[in-house]
Amino acid sequence: GENVEQHPSTLSVQEGDSAVIKCTYSDSASNYFPWYKQELGKRPQLIIDIRSNVGEKKDQRIAVTLNKTAKHFSLHITETQPEDSAVYFCAVLSGAGSYQLTFGKGTKLSVIP
Amino acid sequence: NAGVMQNPRHLVRRRGQEARLRCSPMKGHSHVYWYRQLPEEGLKFMVYLQKENIIDESGMPKERFSAEFPKEGPSILRIQQVVRGDSAAYFCASSPPINSDVQFFGPGTRLTVL
Repeated sequence: GENVEQHPSTLSVQEGDSAVIKCTYSDSASNYFPWYKQELGKRPQLIIDIRSNVGEKKDQRIAVTLNKTAKHFSLHITETQPEDSAVYFCAVLSGAGSYQLTFGKGTKLSVIP
Repeated sequence: NAGVMQNPRHLVRRRGQEARLRCSPMKGHSHVYWYRQLPEEGLKFMVYLQKENIIDESGMPKERFSAEFPKEGPSILRIQQVVRGDSAAYFCASSPPINSDVQFFGPGTRLTVL
């Protein structure tokens, strides 16, 4: 089955700096890559996603890049703010007919004011 | 649009009791997924259902766990004879009939087994 590795597990940045979180996956047939933000005790919230036919997608301060050859994708947050502090999870949807999201173990991001 | 609803939000059971977790998908969504999250871990897929059908239950433990999504009413995840290891947060997600790979999550049910 699919294997998703996420790094780093914790990340501290100064307010205004950028944060980058990376994930690798194993199944080359995977075709959908969402990122979720989860605040303590809350639901995972979809913040951005990318499909396998696209290399990069941006939404205001958040961007995701995908390298299908290397089987990795990254979340980039620019101009970080304290409210960006949360746990971020990458996920992967494997190939045709699959509806299972396989999640990374999460990155705890702390933005220091 | 109210979003995915789950209840109860917190559930405490003693070992050997039954736990029933409910999930109402977003309006217009016909696909329901259940995931389990242990502390400090990512979410793990359990089961995928459409109305009156279990499509994929490959992530469900073979014993004590069952799920349904009846024609009327919410989806139910049922855990019989709970054990301490069942303590976790259980999240339900739903997706629309089209673009069904985009999954939206509910607030979760935090199950504690004493």
